[in-house]
Amino acid sequence: QKEVEQNSGPLSVPEGAIASLNCTYSDRVSQSFFWYRQYSGKSPELIMSIYSNGDKEDGRFTAQLNKASQYVSLLIRDSQPSDSATYLCAVGAGGTSYGKLTFGQGTILTVHP
Amino acid sequence: DTAVSQTPKYLVTQMGNDKSIKCEQNLGHDTMYWYKQDSKKFLKIMFSYNNKELIINETVPNRFSPKSPDKAHLNLHINSLELGDSAVYFCASRDGSPLDTQYFGPGTRLTVL
Repeated sequence: QKEVEQNSGPLSVPEGAIASLNCTYSDRVSQSFFWYRQYSGKSPELIMSIYSNGDKEDGRFTAQLNKASQYVSLLIRDSQPSDSATYLCAVGAGGTSYGKLTFGQGTILTVHP
Repeated sequence: DTAVSQTPKYLVTQMGNDKSIKCEQNLGHDTMYWYKQDSKKFLKIMFSYNNKELIINETVPNRFSPKSPDKAHLNLHINSLELGDSAVYFCASRDGSPLDTQYFGPGTRLTVL
């Protein structure tokens, strides 16, 4: 079983729609959760972080965390072609793990006009 | 100002050669990381240093040797390069807050022929 698993892509949505990206993780003691966006040929860029159960909103992005289900998701509202990228879910163990992040395999999102 | 920088951006070399990649961060962070991203975009941690001390050493061939001359620099030396070492190598640094946010450098694309 993969430690961090993302919904298989690629995901294609029309402009203006909601894009839903999902991630499950296996380590119950995980404490921090991140979504990174990576454009082709570029480095990962942090777009959302979440640490407690519930929703966290930042502009068009909403991260949702359910620790009991070991599930974290990212919703992108009013999707734009500029949102087309690979989205990486990352899970941090916290504590004395020195910030070690485990990444999922990524989901490619394409937003078409 | 560039927060996390890496040199070189591209590295093309022959099998069996030895090469180094350099990373510098001007964020004042104590912890730095090396990640490898393979052709399928899977991003996996290799090493981490906290204030010049090695704290994370994943299952990586001992041909890979990190060195941290000071907390702002983390270099990666690779001996006897193999075809399978071809990947993008990212350096990252962490702000040390409970948020565990990691900031990535631009990456070094290594191609072994």
